[in-house]
Amino acid sequence: DVKVTQSSRYLVKRTGEKVFLECVQDMDHENMFWYRQDPGLGLRLIYFSYDVKMKEKGDIPEGYSVSREKKERFSLILESASTNQTSMYLCASRTANYGYTFGSGTRLTVV
Amino acid sequence: QQQVKQSPQSLIVQKGGISIINCAYENTAFDYFPWYQQFPGKGPALLIAIRPDVSEKKEGRFTISFNKSAKQFSLHIMDSQPGDSATYFCAAGNQAGTALIFGKGTTLSVSS
Repeated sequence: DVKVTQSSRYLVKRTGEKVFLECVQDMDHENMFWYRQDPGLGLRLIYFSYDVKMKEKGDIPEGYSVSREKKERFSLILESASTNQTSMYLCASRTANYGYTFGSGTRLTVV
Repeated sequence: QQQVKQSPQSLIVQKGGISIINCAYENTAFDYFPWYQQFPGKGPALLIAIRPDVSEKKEGRFTISFNKSAKQFSLHIMDSQPGDSATYFCAAGNQAGTALIFGKGTTLSVSS
């Protein structure tokens, strides 16, 4: 089975800090995604990457950036964390039959 | 054109009953329609998916019904069990390499 691992389950950061969320997949997939999940708003796409060093903006990229230097790793960066970025962040990797495999999520609280 | 509208937002069903969640999409280029199940503290997991060349797909107690002309699809959970209590997301996408678009989710509670 594809495994998508997010490095932290819970994070608490201060306003203005630079925050790195890491995601690693073990199946050599080209496509990786970052979503945020908020109650009543579902999953909203932040960024995705279809290959190393390639990235595409999703629906809500403001305040975020990404890095994909190696195929298995896709990092989400909050340049200057704000309280409205408190959320659950989900990373996903796309399988060969088109379905996603999600990580367990990182619950980020910005204080 | 990129939205996927999901209803209801929440659903309470008695044990043994049928749970039905509906989704509607706008983009006729979509050709892949998965459902994801999410338990508290976990990431969503693929439950079942359908492509538009069939009108129904069944896996155990879970069935997707697909109506291409109406641009709607639905998830039916037969003989609902307390262990089915979770949040369910529908999604839509295509093979052009773009990301899946998700509905806002339905929280299902199955009472025993």
